[in-house]
Amino acid sequence: AQTVTQSQPEMSVQEAETVTLSCTYDTSENNYYLFWYKQPPSRQMILVIRQEAYKQQNATENRFSVNFQKAAKSFSLKISDSQLGDTAMYFCAFLFMNRDDKIIFGKGTRLHILP
Amino acid sequence: NAGVMQNPRHLVRRRGQEARLRCSPMKGHSHVYWYRQLPEEGLKFMVYLQKENIIDESGMPKERFSAEFPKEGPSILRIQQVVRGDSAAYFCASSLSGTGVKGNTEAFFGQGTRLTVV
Repeated sequence: AQTVTQSQPEMSVQEAETVTLSCTYDTSENNYYLFWYKQPPSRQMILVIRQEAYKQQNATENRFSVNFQKAAKSFSLKISDSQLGDTAMYFCAFLFMNRDDKIIFGKGTRLHILP
Repeated sequence: NAGVMQNPRHLVRRRGQEARLRCSPMKGHSHVYWYRQLPEEGLKFMVYLQKENIIDESGMPKERFSAEFPKEGPSILRIQQVVRGDSAAYFCASSLSGTGVKGNTEAFFGQGTRLTVV
C-alpha cells in the first residue's frame, strides 16, 4: 500500500521568512502525481501545487515551489516570503496515474506564521 | 457555480443514534469520495462511489457505516449507532471523472461535516 509520511507535526516561522515542509512517500509505481493541499481554519481543502512524477522540473506556483526527488521519494514544499494567511495545516498527498483511484494523504504539518 | 456542498456543517448526536451526512457534488460530477479526518490527523479515505455504484469501500468500517450515491440526489454517508470514536470531520470530494484517469487530478472538496457524538 502507498504511504505518505510528514515528519513535522508542527512548525512556526516569522512572517516574510522562507519555510520548507517535508514529505516522503513509498510506492513501487513509476507513474503518479504528488500534491500539497492547504487546510486553513475554515477546513476548506485547497490545492496548492501539483507535480507529475514523470516531470523532472520542479513545480512552482508563485511563492510556492517543490523539491521533488524521485529516487529518494521525497517531495518537500517551500513557501517563500511567508504571509500570515499561509497559517494552516498542509497535507502532502499521492495519486496513481492512469488508474481510477483515490488521493492518499499524509497526516499533515501545522504551520504557524508569526507576525 | 456552486462547489461541493456538504450538510450539515455541524452535527451532534447522542451515542446510539444515527448520523446522516450529505454531499452534493459539483454540477456534472459523477464521482464522489468520502474521507474522515480525526483531530490532528490527515484525511483517511473511506469510500469511492459513482452514480449508483460503490467502486472502493476499502477504507470504510464493515459495521455501522454505509454510503450511497443514488441516480438522483446527494451522496449519503450513514453511520448507525454512533459511538464517541466516530467524532470527526467527514469530507466529501467530487470529480468529473475518476481521479488519476486521463490526467484528471481535480478533486474538489466540500467544507466537511463535523460530527460530535456526546
